[in-house]
Amino acid sequence: GAGVSQSPSNKVTEKGKDVELRCDPISGHTALYWYRQRLGQGLEFLIYFQGNSAPDKSGLPSDRFSAERTGESVSTLTIQRTQQEDSAVYLCASREPGTGRNNEQFFGPGTRLTVL
Amino acid sequence: LAKTTQPISMDSYEGQEVNITCSHNNIATNDYITWYQQFPSQGPRFIIQGYKTKVTNEVASLFIPADRKSSTLSLPRVSLSDTAVYYCLVGDTTNNAGNMLTFGGGTRLMVKP
Repeated sequence: GAGVSQSPSNKVTEKGKDVELRCDPISGHTALYWYRQRLGQGLEFLIYFQGNSAPDKSGLPSDRFSAERTGESVSTLTIQRTQQEDSAVYLCASREPGTGRNNEQFFGPGTRLTVL
Repeated sequence: LAKTTQPISMDSYEGQEVNITCSHNNIATNDYITWYQQFPSQGPRFIIQGYKTKVTNEVASLFIPADRKSSTLSLPRVSLSDTAVYYCLVGDTTNNAGNMLTFGGGTRLMVKP
């Protein structure tokens, strides 16, 4: 079946503008994660959705960052008033309900955000 | 969350066995050890997971000593296509906490011809 998809694949924006990044998880995956990866760095956890539970927002770096998820499907990550330091690849991952197969996270290809 | 330490980079040659060791001194009882692989311009993908002793699959082996304070990912007979970043993660996969698995900086493996 289809994997995790993300759009757009690339986004170039001007400092101060708002951006919305989209993630379509694998159908049936109740858990969804957003990560940020700066050039040459590891992954930085941002936010986690699990079913109807309150999302774990502990990784969001500032109040300019927010995310929503519609039921157990699409999620959008919104960055308001973008700054140059927001430039990074934003990765989305989804996971099966419960512990799943080894609790494996399936990643999308990412959205490369460049803030000029 | 257990902190992990792994080498920043490693070089190898085609056909060699590569062993990447990860330290996780404060691993908890419920924590599992998971390794992911990330190619350039792609998201990470799961390689292998273990709790103790040895785990082997079609891609790699994972060796975990009795004290579980470290683990070693072993890639047999690497090829150029194994050039990637390898992440060691330690966390409790039995709960649903979002930040249960934290990706560190990873190890950049460069396989040379």
